[in-house]
Amino acid sequence: KQEVTQIPAALSVPEGENLVLNCSFTDSAIYNLQWFRQDPGKGLTSLLLIQSSQREQTSGRLNASLDKSSGRSTLYIAASQPGDSATYLCASSNYNQGGKLIFGQGTELSVKP
Amino acid sequence: KAGVTQTPRYLIKTRGQQVTLSCSPISGHRSVSWYQQTPGQGLQFLFEYFSETQRNKGNFPGRFSGRQFSNSRSEMNVSTLELGDSALYLCASSVTSGNTDTQYFGPGTRLTVL
Repeated sequence: KQEVTQIPAALSVPEGENLVLNCSFTDSAIYNLQWFRQDPGKGLTSLLLIQSSQREQTSGRLNASLDKSSGRSTLYIAASQPGDSATYLCASSNYNQGGKLIFGQGTELSVKP
Repeated sequence: KAGVTQTPRYLIKTRGQQVTLSCSPISGHRSVSWYQQTPGQGLQFLFEYFSETQRNKGNFPGRFSGRQFSNSRSEMNVSTLELGDSALYLCASSVTSGNTDTQYFGPGTRLTVL
């Protein structure tokens, strides 16, 4: 059974700190790994997508890495801001399952001013 | 370009009723997927439609069904509602059915079953 796990479930940091969110997956046939952000009561906003052939992707203050051999991905947020407060979700997709995404339970991030 | 839209945004139903939720994908996107989000189970895949055909289905009972129209708009239907069906239902669209494309999510429909 394909599973995605995110640790920690919640994280609180002071503004300006750099931080890393962790995601581990069991799917050996992962095709890509996506990171999303979800604000309370809202839908998901796509942050970064890493293809299985890639090692990392960057967008602004965000950097996501992918290590298929260890089954891990990380999302690095530089110089965190209060506006970064949200739940961050990672999701894997498989070669044979089209658009189906398997989601982790998310990490709830709080950045304190 | 308009994003993914879902209607209605909020819905209150009673047990035993049925409900239909609608999702309009981003223009040009032909794949629509549906997910259920609950505090206990997190986000779970319901099904995916591409070019009016169901391409993939999650582990949900037959009370959950869906369809896609020729304009790529999609509906999902839940019959004989149960209390446990209370959830945020999210749809996502992408250009193709494959897994190379980023999926874009709508704001969701919050269903409450009383």
